[in-house]
Amino acid sequence: QSALTQPPSVSGAPGQRVTISCTGSSSNIGAEYNVHWYQQVPGTVPKLLISGNNNRPSGVPDRFSGSKSGTSASLAITGLQAEDEADYYCQSYDSSLSGSVFGGGTKLTVL
Amino acid sequence: EAQLLQSGGDFVQPGGSLRLSCAASGFSFSLYAMTWVRQAPGKGLEWVSSIRGSVGGAYYADSVKGRFSISRDDSKKTLYLEMNSLRAEDTAIYYCAKEQSRTIFYGMDVWGQGTTVTVSS
Repeated sequence: QSALTQPPSVSGAPGQRVTISCTGSSSNIGAEYNVHWYQQVPGTVPKLLISGNNNRPSGVPDRFSGSKSGTSASLAITGLQAEDEADYYCQSYDSSLSGSVFGGGTKLTVL
Repeated sequence: EAQLLQSGGDFVQPGGSLRLSCAASGFSFSLYAMTWVRQAPGKGLEWVSSIRGSVGGAYYADSVKGRFSISRDDSKKTLYLEMNSLRAEDTAIYYCAKEQSRTIFYGMDVWGQGTTVTVSS
């Protein structure tokens, strides 16, 4: 079981807004370590979507945004598009493990 | 354009060894931390190991500590993962990735294409 907990799946219709949660603890997100988000379309390489809690790398649409509060973080996707259908992973550092941790991943289905 | 080209994946018996390589181009390799991430069939991403840029301190997941060794050759712009005492549960696609900083855990913005390691008798 991962130190970061994500819902296994979320879904939404085109144009809608969805959020994906990432729940951690006082040894990772709650300890002020940064949270990063990755998108992985099945069969492809993961792609950095959000870094440092809420920073979008060049080329990532502003429909994607990140936030963090306490021991949790969230990824929000607005104006949902068919191409957003993918697996999404959060990542942070965990001081009790002295290493990085990923969430279990969330499969986004666009209805 | 920054790129990472991986090689070394193979089919190996339990207890065997393998070395993965990751050749970098298009960026100042020595200035950035590098990381290995793996993905077992049908499973999520798992952090394996990271090494700092320039003065390379190394970090390992508990699942591979004592069996895997990460290293880098900045003159060759290449990252390595030496894997020993391989187990069936090490079967996965292994990705190398560039961190956004000399320091680790700042987010991985460039990924290799992945290389498959299969451990089976």
